[in-house]
Amino acid sequence: DADVTQTPRNRITKTGKRIMLECSQTKGHDRMYWYRQDPGLGLRLIYYSFDVKDINKGEISDGYSVSRQAQAKFSLSLESAIPNQTALYFCATSENGLPSGEQFFGPGTRLTVL
Amino acid sequence: LAKTTQPISMDSYEGQEVNITCSHNNIATNDYITWYQQFPSQGPRFIIQGYKTKVTNEVASLFIPADRKSSTLSLPRVSLSDTAVYYCLVGALGKIIFGKGTRLHILP
Repeated sequence: DADVTQTPRNRITKTGKRIMLECSQTKGHDRMYWYRQDPGLGLRLIYYSFDVKDINKGEISDGYSVSRQAQAKFSLSLESAIPNQTALYFCATSENGLPSGEQFFGPGTRLTVL
Repeated sequence: LAKTTQPISMDSYEGQEVNITCSHNNIATNDYITWYQQFPSQGPRFIIQGYKTKVTNEVASLFIPADRKSSTLSLPRVSLSDTAVYYCLVGALGKIIFGKGTRLHILP
């Protein structure tokens, strides 16, 4: 969905490096989410934010941190990347909090940690 | 957290109706049931959401029995482009769990 963009789209890094993945949206939604997807598996929620001043841990937040710089921007950081954080990362937005809201996903960032 | 169980994969033919059933035995009172579709290397796309009984939109129907312990996504007259992974989600705010999904393969 072009309304939700993620940068970079692909990234290869080394163990121990700090990495930031960025998400921007033009949908005007308050709620934003970060997920990771491992091959052959479903998505797992890392962090979510219901507005600029709100940050919540998801199912697998260890090793990650986030920053909600503005309504439109939500960044995910890996403070010290490790190989098992190699995955496809998705950002999503919704107008209303689940369960009443549909989530709109970005194209994903493929991260490889060597 | 409510977990879901779906078939790992299904095959069907173009023009057929496809029904994918999801089991969610420990669904909570305030949980909704949502289905997403995902193509390779793309983010999931919302298909339909419901709480109970039947919901229909332009692409699918969702059937939820009274006990809400399962749900069935119905795709009418599928085409090759419906080949994708379909996820059944159950949960409330911030507690949504994506399972492994059902890999649907449509054959000509």
